This record gives sequence, C-alpha cells and structure tokens, in this order.
Amino acid sequence: TQLLEQSPQFLSIQEGENLTVYCNSSSVFSSLQWYRQEPGEGPVLLVTVVTGGEVKKLKRLTFQFGDARKDSSLHITAAQPGDTGLYLCAGSTNTGNQFYFGTGTSLTVIP
Amino acid sequence: KAGVTQTPRYLIKTRGQQVTLSCSPISGHRSVSWYQQTPGQGLQFLFEYFSETQRNKGNFPGRFSGRQFSNSRSEMNVSTLELGDSALYLCASSLAHALGEQFFGPGTRLTVL
Repeated sequence: TQLLEQSPQFLSIQEGENLTVYCNSSSVFSSLQWYRQEPGEGPVLLVTVVTGGEVKKLKRLTFQFGDARKDSSLHITAAQPGDTGLYLCAGSTNTGNQFYFGTGTSLTVIP
Repeated sequence: KAGVTQTPRYLIKTRGQQVTLSCSPISGHRSVSWYQQTPGQGLQFLFEYFSETQRNKGNFPGRFSGRQFSNSRSEMNVSTLELGDSALYLCASSLAHALGEQFFGPGTRLTVL
C-alpha cells in the first residue's frame, strides 16, 4: 500500500503545453518534497513545502501544498523537452523519521 | 564539491548469492540513507545511518543490512539474493538528518538471475 498516490502515472505532451501532476494521500504530512529523476540518475530535489496552502514557484514550475497538508500539485507551464523525466513526490509525517515516496509520474515532452 | 558516488553502477548476480554495494556521501554529510527503487513498488526506504549507527529502518527483511564507517562512507549488503531483489539501489546523503535536504547518487542497478 502506497502512502502517496500520484496521477497521472504517465504523461506525454507536446512542447509548449501546460500540465499538472497530483500527489494525494489520506495522511497528513509535515513537509512534502518534489523530485525529478532522469534515466540513469538519482532523484534531484526541486522544492520542499512545509505550510498548508503554500505555493512556491521555480521558473516555469509551480508547486502547491494542500491546505490540509494531505496533497500537493506540480504545475508546469509551457513544457520543454528538458522537463522530461520521472517526477516524484515525497512526504514526511509528524511521527515519522523517513520520507515516503509517491508512485511517480513519468513525463515525456515531445519537441 | 563532489556529489554522492555509488559503486558499482551495475551488478549481475544469481539467486542465493550475496552482494555488497558502496556509497560515498558528499564531504561533510553525516547521514546516509538507502532506498530500493523498482517499477512496481517505486522508491522505498531501506535504512539510514548516522555516525556509524543505524538510526532508522524501513520494512525490509533481515537479509538487507548495512553499515557506516567513521568517514561516513556506507555499505549495504543483501544476502541470499532473490529474483525480487532486482532493483536500482539508491544512496542519499544529507548533512545531519534524512528529513533534511537529501542528495542522491546515481544508484547501483542490481540484476538477480
């Protein structure tokens, strides 16, 4: 049983399109992170959100933490081929001492 | 500053064998965590080491073990390999705690035949 469910699992879009990836759980998280992983590499941290309702922007990427701290979304504007990769969310709970990773969303941006 | 390095990058073993993977964290980082990544289960936490002590452990059988040396380098060992142990094993280092910013290595791809 996965603590964090991501949707969609796979996404293939044309360059220039917008997209949103969702990360949902029934558990409350004290913090949530988003990573991008490229083939043959380890995940690279994109952002950490810690406050319910928090919105962070990183160039064309917008991250939102749900008010109840149970869900998060990642929105990419005007996707580029360089955005291709596996996007992972990871959350830590108040009682936990590790990050629980989501199921992942594989994004392909076609030139 | 050099990143996290893992050796070997690829490994092929047969069922019943044992394997040792190595991880060198970023200089100055004292926390090292290990993860298993498979297509079916995604990224799952194995254990975390800090100051040569296992601080946290995930839900994996005792065949999976690890250790950390005084220079923070870490090894993980899997004994009596099973086909289901085929996976990408990732190591992540952080300054002091696994809940801090983690930097991942490129992983070791283990194939069990």
